[in-house]
Amino acid sequence: NAGVTQTPKFQVLKTGQSMTLQCAQDMNHEYMSWYRQDPGMGLRLIHYSVGAGITDQGEVPNGYNVSRSTTEDFPLRLLSAAPSQTSVYFCASSRQGNSPLHFGNGTRLTVT
Amino acid sequence: AQSVTQLDSQVPVFEEAPVELRCNYSSSVSVYLFWYVQYPNQGLQLLLKYLSGSTLVKGINGFEAEFNKSQTSFHLRKPSVHISDTAEYFCAVREMIQGAQKLVFGQGTRLTINP
Repeated sequence: NAGVTQTPKFQVLKTGQSMTLQCAQDMNHEYMSWYRQDPGMGLRLIHYSVGAGITDQGEVPNGYNVSRSTTEDFPLRLLSAAPSQTSVYFCASSRQGNSPLHFGNGTRLTVT
Repeated sequence: AQSVTQLDSQVPVFEEAPVELRCNYSSSVSVYLFWYVQYPNQGLQLLLKYLSGSTLVKGINGFEAEFNKSQTSFHLRKPSVHISDTAEYFCAVREMIQGAQKLVFGQGTRLTINP
């Protein structure tokens, strides 16, 4: 019963490096999203997708790219990491409508 | 845009004492409200949700919340807490954007249970 799987769990990057945070769900959910969690700020939406081939920006999209080539996967790309992107990143998915979000266990990213 | 305010960033209580975590939201239209719990080094789990109907909502682990439209509040309560309730709690309101649901989260309340 995997649910939402995020990899890696931890990552350290140097400023300017690029990387991709992986997110996969096995519940056939149409909706997927990425949030970042920072102390005292709750979770803020980065990007979201309502289905394969469809993505859109959330509240804090700058510095991040996403794509949704399959229903299952929703990777988040950092093209040139900055210290301000040090955070914990959560992927979440749900069915459309009133279904609650299911969260992954997060990726803790540090940019030095 | 909707917003959520959690009035306490930290709440320390003794074991077996009652607790209330406060949440206010900004929207004046019909809302869907959620409480999530985050245990250390884990993702968020849904505690309970209010979509419609009875204003008193019961969730998992003995928690309940009351939707109060006139006060735009959705406070979370538990009559007797346990050490295992130590966690961070997030209140959230659902916003619809072009048919997609977006959750707007509060800043979180860290609940610490002391023996």
